[in-house]
Amino acid sequence: NAGVTQTPKFRILKIGQSMTLQCAQDMNHNYMYWYRQDPGMGLKLIYYSVGAGITDKGEVPNGYNVSRSTTEDFPLRLELAAPSQTSVYFCASSLPGEEQYFGPGTRLTVT
Amino acid sequence: EDQVTQSPEALRLQEGESSSLNCSYTVSGLRGLFWYRQDPGKGPEFLFTLYSAGEEKEKERLKATLTKKESFLHITAPKPEDSATYLCAVPVNTGFQKLVFGTGTRLLVSP
Repeated sequence: NAGVTQTPKFRILKIGQSMTLQCAQDMNHNYMYWYRQDPGMGLKLIYYSVGAGITDKGEVPNGYNVSRSTTEDFPLRLELAAPSQTSVYFCASSLPGEEQYFGPGTRLTVT
Repeated sequence: EDQVTQSPEALRLQEGESSSLNCSYTVSGLRGLFWYRQDPGKGPEFLFTLYSAGEEKEKERLKATLTKKESFLHITAPKPEDSATYLCAVPVNTGFQKLVFGTGTRLLVSP
């Protein structure tokens, strides 16, 4: 199993540009999550999904959108990138009520 | 407000020098607590889940314990390869979809 995979590993965006961060898992997990991690701060939940077609906001959803059309994939869309979105983004997945497994992260810089 | 606090922020140990990391939390109704290890530039790696006060779990040189107000990660005779940031997280809803993470303890073990 590859586990949780994320692409790209690194990206630099200009202010106002848009992009999609890709996330896939091959563990047949129902639940998937997007977090951001800023220096000195804990991981913050952006959005999560409990199954295909079902998504919900986390703690910091503004400026982001998600969709979940399959069990395996959970892309995160950034519209009109802002410097405040410079961060490391982690995708995770889990079975209901169990530990989350994280991907390797995407380091995004918005300038 | 649900909150997770980890201490110390950073800890430097000599190889073989045992110590403990602390994770204290204020949540309405403890449902469980997770410990993760994070290496630089990588995603968090799951270590332990503790579900109730009094529970203990061990893995190699690590032992996690849980009380009603805090959790400890005890590191016995650490080795340089134990150097990492250790994160704890607490679920704040019954489905475990929403986790609140602490900011972590950066552990450096010198040979």
